[in-house]
Amino acid sequence: AQSVTQPDIHITVSEGASLELRCNYSYGATPYLFWYVQSPGQGLQLLLKYFSGDTLVQGIKGFEAEFKRSQSSFNLRKPSVHWSDAAEYFCAVGLNQGGKLIFGQGTELSVKP
Amino acid sequence: DGGITQSPKYLFRKEGQNVTLSCEQNLNHDAMYWYRQDPGQGLRLIYYSQIVNDFQKGDIAEGYSVSREKKESFPLTVTSAQKNPTAFYLCASSSRYGYTFGSGTRLTIV
Repeated sequence: AQSVTQPDIHITVSEGASLELRCNYSYGATPYLFWYVQSPGQGLQLLLKYFSGDTLVQGIKGFEAEFKRSQSSFNLRKPSVHWSDAAEYFCAVGLNQGGKLIFGQGTELSVKP
Repeated sequence: DGGITQSPKYLFRKEGQNVTLSCEQNLNHDAMYWYRQDPGQGLRLIYYSQIVNDFQKGDIAEGYSVSREKKESFPLTVTSAQKNPTAFYLCASSSRYGYTFGSGTRLTIV
């Protein structure tokens, strides 16, 4: 069955520290991969997406993600976290850009001063 | 500006009552989706529609119903058969270029 796993439910990092959020997927084919961010009580905003080509993808707000086919992973990274990055982050997979998505459970990020 | 409008933002209903959540988009997207969000469970697909007058069940359709009479509108009805309806509901639409999400409706059954 298709699934997405985000192993870390909650992560706390210090402002200015680096960040890596993990995402593993199980999918029959090479999926389209997405990272979304959600502020409390809001909808989801797309950070970045991967379809093909360069496996290191740059997104908005200084985020990047790396697709590793051998590990079925699509981890999200940021070199230096800002307090405004505190939010919930979702990894998602789909068959294409516009079809239905399967979401991970989400990782809540807290940033301490 | 193009986008998705979900209304209301907060909704309270008594147990046993049906309630309808509104979702309207002016993006000219063919596909629309309803997701339910619960803490620690991510987003789970309730229903989706790829064209007008057609829709399919998602992973957790029991206790919910939808209609798609117009391209712009995809209302979700939470029926009294839904055992635990208190949740945050997100509507989305998509084209071949990607997804757009609404800002959500928080439904609380009192």
